[in-house]
Amino acid sequence: KAGVTQTPRYLIKTRGQQVTLSCSPISGHRSVSWYQQTPGQGLQFLFEYFSETQRNKGNFPGRFSGRQFSNSRSEMNVSTLELGDSALYLCASSLGRTGDSYEQYFGPGTRLTVT
Amino acid sequence: AQSVTQLDSHVSVSEGTPVLLRCNYSSSYSPSLFWYVQHPNKGLQLLLKYTSAATLVKGINGFEAEFKKSETSFHLTKPSAHMSDAAEYFCVVSRSGGYNKLIFGAGTRLAVHP
Repeated sequence: KAGVTQTPRYLIKTRGQQVTLSCSPISGHRSVSWYQQTPGQGLQFLFEYFSETQRNKGNFPGRFSGRQFSNSRSEMNVSTLELGDSALYLCASSLGRTGDSYEQYFGPGTRLTVT
Repeated sequence: AQSVTQLDSHVSVSEGTPVLLRCNYSSSYSPSLFWYVQHPNKGLQLLLKYTSAATLVKGINGFEAEFKKSETSFHLTKPSAHMSDAAEYFCVVSRSGGYNKLIFGAGTRLAVHP
């Protein structure tokens, strides 16, 4: 099976712009989660989507949003970019069924640089 | 609430010697615990997971971890380090029952010297 893919791999944006990142999960996986990784804050949970619905949400401002499509692909959007949004954004997919803890499989990430 | 503390930010070992990466957790719920590894410029790879079955968990590449509820610990070990083990390791906790919000520790950078 193909792994989790993320596009683009690298992005450079200017403060105030917005950006959209894309994630394609492993075939058959219905849950997609997003994480932000920075040297200062480490890895932080942004949100999780399951069957096109946001199921969990982390402590990020409303500038960070996401959505999931019927084929389980997910996008996350960051509006009004700030310098502090520079980070590696990781997407993870899992089967997502409740009743057990299914491991999450991570993509290679999108490196966002805000100037 | 849940949290994870990785007790060492850097660990350095010689090739062929044992590896010990320490992790303590805190959880209001019955936890699921994981160890992930991240090689430079790569994504995260799952090494092993604990989900309330056997307390000694074996993972990939010779790694294993033991869940000790009384000590709230989940330390990662490997009998003999290899140069390719040099990477950053993350201890992770989530609420068991299929909740997909992972809480990561700060990470431990493992250096392996010849």
